Amino acid sequence: QVQLQESGPGLVKPSETLSLTCTVSGASISGHHWSWIRQPPGKGLEWISYISYSGTTNYDPSLKSRVILSVDTAKNQFYLNLTSVTPADTGVYYCARRIRVLGVVNDVHFDIWGQGTMVFVSS
Amino acid sequence: SSELTQDPAVSVALGQTARITCQGDSLRNFYASWYQQKPGQAPILVIYGKNNRPSGIPDRFSGSSSGNTAALTITGAQAEDEADYYCHSRDSTYYHRDVFGSGTKVTVL
Repeated sequence: QVQLQESGPGLVKPSETLSLTCTVSGASISGHHWSWIRQPPGKGLEWISYISYSGTTNYDPSLKSRVILSVDTAKNQFYLNLTSVTPADTGVYYCARRIRVLGVVNDVHFDIWGQGTMVFVSS
Repeated sequence: SSELTQDPAVSVALGQTARITCQGDSLRNFYASWYQQKPGQAPILVIYGKNNRPSGIPDRFSGSSSGNTAALTITGAQAEDEADYYCHSRDSTYYHRDVFGSGTKVTVL
């Protein structure tokens, strides 16, 4: 059974860096894409980024300048660093496995999600 | 357009059929995937691809697509189906970006 678990500080000060870890268990991190998705309080889901096991990355354009992703295949973990945070970055942060199926019509979906971790940005 | 548009809310009587739609240009080239989220819980995948359900998802959930519109149908809605539902696809204007719809609150009456 594949499981994902987010971890990191629940409180970050404005202008500092938010650092989160996603630990993958029950499956190898290799061979898949892994995403970060967030949800501000009372609002909808916002895709942040994805990283492949080989380090290929992609980001939402609105966050690209502040997002740093990395992966450690030996630890079966991947990481999110979001720099220069503001209160607008407050929310629940989820990690998820991103599946791609290429075909005549392409299919991308997130089949496994972590439980999420709440991050407050406040002084 | 890079947006996915969903109706904010849908109500359905217990045992009846609910249809939730998602509109966006990217849906002409990419299937939508659908996620159910209950309060305080992480989203779960309910439909992906042409019309695929992950293991454990009841067969009352089905998906369809036509042109720039995808739909999630709940046939014989149950009380436990009351939740927020989000569609997802890839952004056709920024090829590698993923995008979520704004979500639909489904109320089972």
